Amino acid sequence: GAVVSQHPSRVICKSGTSVKIECRSLDFQATTMFWYRQFPKQSLMLMATSNEGSKATYEQGVEKDKFLINHASLTLSTLTVTSAHPEDSSFYICSARDRTGGNPWTDTQYFGPGTRLTVL
Amino acid sequence: AQSVTQLGSHVSVSEGALVLLRCNYSSSVPPYLFWYVQYPNQGLQLLLKYTSAATLVKGINGFEAEFKKSETSFHLTKPSAHMSDAAEYFCAVSDSGTYKYIFGTGTRLKVLA
Repeated sequence: GAVVSQHPSRVICKSGTSVKIECRSLDFQATTMFWYRQFPKQSLMLMATSNEGSKATYEQGVEKDKFLINHASLTLSTLTVTSAHPEDSSFYICSARDRTGGNPWTDTQYFGPGTRLTVL
Repeated sequence: AQSVTQLGSHVSVSEGALVLLRCNYSSSVPPYLFWYVQYPNQGLQLLLKYTSAATLVKGINGFEAEFKKSETSFHLTKPSAHMSDAAEYFCAVSDSGTYKYIFGTGTRLKVLA
């Protein structure tokens, strides 16, 4: 159980184009999903918190107009990198919070396999 | 505010030897702590979590971690390393106010034949 998928796993695009990444919780409902960015050999950097049915909350320094997040259902959140540039190339990972524990503090985040974005 | 510190960005052990990966936390409230493993080009997989039920937590793949309040530590151990354990390991604490995870900088485990 508690499987999170991401699609695509790898994408290469030209500078100036937009790319959409999907994150799905396959066997549980996730009212909250998180989007992270990971640079090579570094830890995960939280970009934004995505709540179903409401606007995403972005971390300081993350451009919300560049990284559009939509959480339209309890099992799907999408991240769209708009007008991508080479510096946006990175590994993007989503996670979904499983609320079955009943205590939000101890909720476990389950992570997707990540999406490698390369902008040429 | 909570934080975690992982001592040692790289750890090498021989196959069959004890694995010890260190994590220290800072928190003004009882923390909830997690260990994740990341294999190359993959997402993170939950190894185990501490939610105050028991100080010794057993996880998957033979890993376990002990919560020590007096030392503010949550070190990850495995009695005998396997080649397949080579990966990046992240310690995380759940923020009491926002429920976000705060990750350590990670420890890359290398297992020598």
